[in-house]
Amino acid sequence: DTGVSQNPRHKITKRGQNVTFRCDPISEHNRLYWYRQTLGQGPEFLTYFQNEAQLEKSRLLSDRFSAERPKGSFSTLEIQRTEQGDSAMYLCASSSAFRTGKGYEQYFGPGTRLTVT
Amino acid sequence: QKEVEQDPGPLSVPEGAIVSLNCTYSNSAFQYFMWYRQYSRKGPELLMYTYSSGNKEDGRFTAQVDKSSKYISLFIRDSQPSDSATYLCAISQGAQKLVFGQGTRLTINP
Repeated sequence: DTGVSQNPRHKITKRGQNVTFRCDPISEHNRLYWYRQTLGQGPEFLTYFQNEAQLEKSRLLSDRFSAERPKGSFSTLEIQRTEQGDSAMYLCASSSAFRTGKGYEQYFGPGTRLTVT
Repeated sequence: QKEVEQDPGPLSVPEGAIVSLNCTYSNSAFQYFMWYRQYSRKGPELLMYTYSSGNKEDGRFTAQVDKSSKYISLFIRDSQPSDSATYLCAISQGAQKLVFGQGTRLTINP
């Protein structure tokens, strides 16, 4: 039973560069979420997909950020023209859209730690 | 006002103590309540969830929800050094986004 996987685990980039992160959800899950977490804070919601449709985007997701989920499988999060304020842990989670008898639990991946120098 | 308030601690207790972690929330539409454990530089790990008011027990962990007070709690019995981590409460209206508290950093001292 594989969980949510994210790649890369760490990324160091220079200000102004573009970066792309990948998330592979749990195979039977049709919902996929992106969150951002800064040091000492809880994760903050960025966006989520049901299958390939992007259903909600946070106001935190500026026009430099774009997320895709082609074919409703893996997802990518791209940040263009990175800024130092983008340094954070980017977390991906997945869940089933339908109650499984347990509720709408979201399962998280290990995260991608981004450092912008 | 934040939608979910959680005391960031840090909280330090001796091994074997009962730990109480708490969150308050403001939106009465929230129906699903979760607790996650997060070790340093790792992703959050789902520990407990509850739906509506009441208690739920799983081993040494008990989650409690009081919707009338908009107050949720996580109790850890017989705490172990391996329980040292940051504990995050998270709340949702269903299959939508989770709203997290700030997290409480817990240390269990041997």
